[in-house]
Order: sequence, then structure tokens, then C-alpha cells
Amino acid sequence: AQTVTQSQPEMSVQEAETVTLSCTYDTSESDYYLFWYKQPPSRQMILVIRQEAYKQQNATENRFSVNFQKAAKSFSLKISDSQLGDAAMYFCAYRMNSGYALNFGKGTSLLVTP
Amino acid sequence: NAGVTQTPKFQVLKTGQSMTLQCAQDMNHNSMYWYRQDPGMGLRLIYYSASEGTTDKGEVPNGYNVSRLNKREFSLRLESAAPSQTSVYFCASRPAAGEQFFGPGTRLTVL
Repeated sequence: AQTVTQSQPEMSVQEAETVTLSCTYDTSESDYYLFWYKQPPSRQMILVIRQEAYKQQNATENRFSVNFQKAAKSFSLKISDSQLGDAAMYFCAYRMNSGYALNFGKGTSLLVTP
Repeated sequence: NAGVTQTPKFQVLKTGQSMTLQCAQDMNHNSMYWYRQDPGMGLRLIYYSASEGTTDKGEVPNGYNVSRLNKREFSLRLESAAPSQTSVYFCASRPAAGEQFFGPGTRLTVL
């Protein structure tokens, strides 16, 4: 079974600064996808960024980027120029290429201070 | 285009009562999912439906049943609610090539 581990229950960052959220996963598959989802207080699950395991290039979406280390099974999220609206729970998730469902980590609560 | 809709948004049940959570999507997606989210946990898969007419168990199916009524709708039924089923329930759908879209969630409390 695949497991996703987020070792930071809470993180804090000042506005305009950069923060990195950590995620490690365990799988015996070679073809899979990794994701970061944002869950604000509204509870809505919002896809932030996606990484295909076969791609060596790290994914980026505006202020959000990942550091994907396949051999180390590590997938961290970097948020640059943090904004108050970035405050939320962030979940790391995994899906096999042939799989249907997502496996989620327990989440990291991000606080953004002015 | 409403995306994924869930009803109700909130529900309180007494132990032993039954209820059905409704989910509908208007994006013509084949796959649909039901997850639950407990405090301090990520989402865990209850059931999924890869296509109309098929359903499969996920990680935590005990105490639940599902129906894929048609391509649009995927309902989750609790036949005899228990306090351990107090949770936030999310429905999601996914196209053949793409990622999951989530509904807004249903907060269920079982007393």
C-alpha cells in the first residue's frame, strides 16, 4: 500500500516570505502522480500543483513550485511571496498512474502572519 | 456549469438513523468518488465508481453503501449511523484524462 507522510503538522510564515512544506511517500510503483491540495476554511479542496513521476523537471504554478526527488521519495512544496490568502491546510497526495483514487497525507496547517 | 454539488451541507443524526448523501456532477465525468475527512487526517476513500454501473470499495467502506444512479449521480448511504461516522464527507469526480474535482463537502454529526 502507498503511504504519504507530512511531518509538519503546522507551519508559520510571514507575508512576502518563502515557506517550504515537506512530504515523503512510499511506493513500489515507478509511474505515478503527486499532488498538493489546498483546503481553506471553506473546506473546498483546491488543486495547487501536480507532478508526473516520469518528468524530471519540477512543476511550477506561479508562486508555487515543487522539489521532486524521486529516488528519495520526497515531494516538497515551496510557496514564494506568501500572501494572507495562502493560509490553509495543505495536503500532499499520491495516485498511481493506473489508479483511480488519491492517497492523502494528514496535512500541514499553514499560518501566514502580516 | 455547477461542477460537483453535494446535498445536504450539514446534517445531524441520532445513532441508528439512516440517511443518504447526494452527489451530482455536470462535467460528464466517468469516475466518481466518496471520501471522508476526520480531524487531523487527510481524506480517506470510502467507495468509488469508475464508470456508470460499477462501484468498488475503498479504504474505509464498512457501514456504507453506494449507488451510481446514472453518469451524473453517485449517492452514499448510511443504513444505521454510528458516532464513528461523524465526519466531513467529500464527493469528487474525474475525467478520463485529468484530476479530481471535489464538491464542497457535507458535515455529518452522529449523536
